[in-house]
Amino acid sequence: GAVVSQHPSRVICKSGTSVKIECRSLDFQATTMFWYRQFPKQSLMLMATSNEGSKATYEQGVEKDKFLINHASLTLSTLTVTSAHPEDSSFYICSAPRQGGVNTEAFFGQGTRLTVV
Amino acid sequence: QKEVEQNSGPLSVPEGAIASLNCTYSDRVSQSFFWYRQYSGKSPELIMSIYSNGDKEDGRFTAQLNKASQYVSLLIRDSQPSDSATYLCATTGAGKSTFGDGTTLTVKP
Repeated sequence: GAVVSQHPSRVICKSGTSVKIECRSLDFQATTMFWYRQFPKQSLMLMATSNEGSKATYEQGVEKDKFLINHASLTLSTLTVTSAHPEDSSFYICSAPRQGGVNTEAFFGQGTRLTVV
Repeated sequence: QKEVEQNSGPLSVPEGAIASLNCTYSDRVSQSFFWYRQYSGKSPELIMSIYSNGDKEDGRFTAQLNKASQYVSLLIRDSQPSDSATYLCATTGAGKSTFGDGTTLTVKP
């Protein structure tokens, strides 16, 4: 099946620094990828839709200047958390839809546990 | 009203029992329905997909879909301790998934 790889799996950073998270589709091309955030004991919340070759679409309440998304190629999307604060500590997960067809399923990356100290 | 709602947990069943997880959705045009299992600290993994009314069985798992009632369920037969996890119901449109809050299942040996 399709594979999505996310890196790093775990990162600890200091307040005020920036962190980049990569999401790669390994055996298929993904013109669209999705970034989710999950706080403890809560569900996944969509943050933004990453579109190859164009600007990302952000969900309401998500600061686009803080969470920078770049979809540079058909297999890579990056999320950069800028000027991180402890409240940004969360589990970040990317996903990419399976190619083709009407009924699509999402393939998820392994997730990135971000801890801001 | 949330787009996808799941029965509140946590749900606890003894080993070998049937676990029943329920989900309702509000968007009538939803066509694709999925159940994901998520272990603590891990990403969700797909365990069942269902697109048409009726039942779909895969091993110990059975998904049931009723579009008229906007209801989808997951039955886990012969529950095992390894089934203990959070189960997420999701609908997908244009590749974007909308998740319920999840139901945490504990299977007690």
